[in-house]
Amino acid sequence: DTGVSQNPRHKITKRGQNVTFRCDPISEHNRLYWYRQTLGQGPEFLTYFQNEAQLEKSRLLSDRFSAERPKGSFSTLEIQRTEQGDSAMYLCASSFGRYSNQPQHFGDGTRLSIL
Amino acid sequence: KNEVEQSPQNLTAQEGEFITINCSYSVGISALHWLQQHPGGGIVSLFMLSSGKKKHGRLIATINIQEKHSSLHITASHPRDSAVYICAVLNYGGSQGNLIFGKGTKLSVKP
Repeated sequence: DTGVSQNPRHKITKRGQNVTFRCDPISEHNRLYWYRQTLGQGPEFLTYFQNEAQLEKSRLLSDRFSAERPKGSFSTLEIQRTEQGDSAMYLCASSFGRYSNQPQHFGDGTRLSIL
Repeated sequence: KNEVEQSPQNLTAQEGEFITINCSYSVGISALHWLQQHPGGGIVSLFMLSSGKKKHGRLIATINIQEKHSSLHITASHPRDSAVYICAVLNYGGSQGNLIFGKGTKLSVKP
């Protein structure tokens, strides 16, 4: 069990640029979640996948955000035309099972800073 | 009002003290998680519970479904316990996929 891996750990970019983050879940986990956490706050749900299907998206996920999990393994989260308010820690988690009431395993996150 | 409220927001303790962190929620839930987040950002799941009490080493988590309240206790606290502790609930009957998080309790244990 190598855990959930997220890359990069840190990303600094200028406002208006596009960024893409990657999450590699634990290999047998079929469910994958993306969360966003701003300073001093708890994480907030963005979206989740069961296998390759994106089953739910939060209202927080504006049309500048897109997430994919093309083969039901790793996932990418892309933010287009970044804004100052996008600065946050982006967390990925995965779990195994048919239902959502299973423990989620979190990655170390990608910290995004918009200049 | 947030659906998940934690108290206190910040907690400073001396090594060896018994620590309690509280979590209250306003929605029906199918499970409650206690998570630990260290300064680097990584989150570790400590407990998932839907009733009663669970114990792991020096950590104890309890939940009262009727009162919509959970507590996390740390016995014989140690400086390495310093972290942010986050309560998160899985909303019963709502979204299938997501957790609702509290803002966290920042614990600092002094030697």
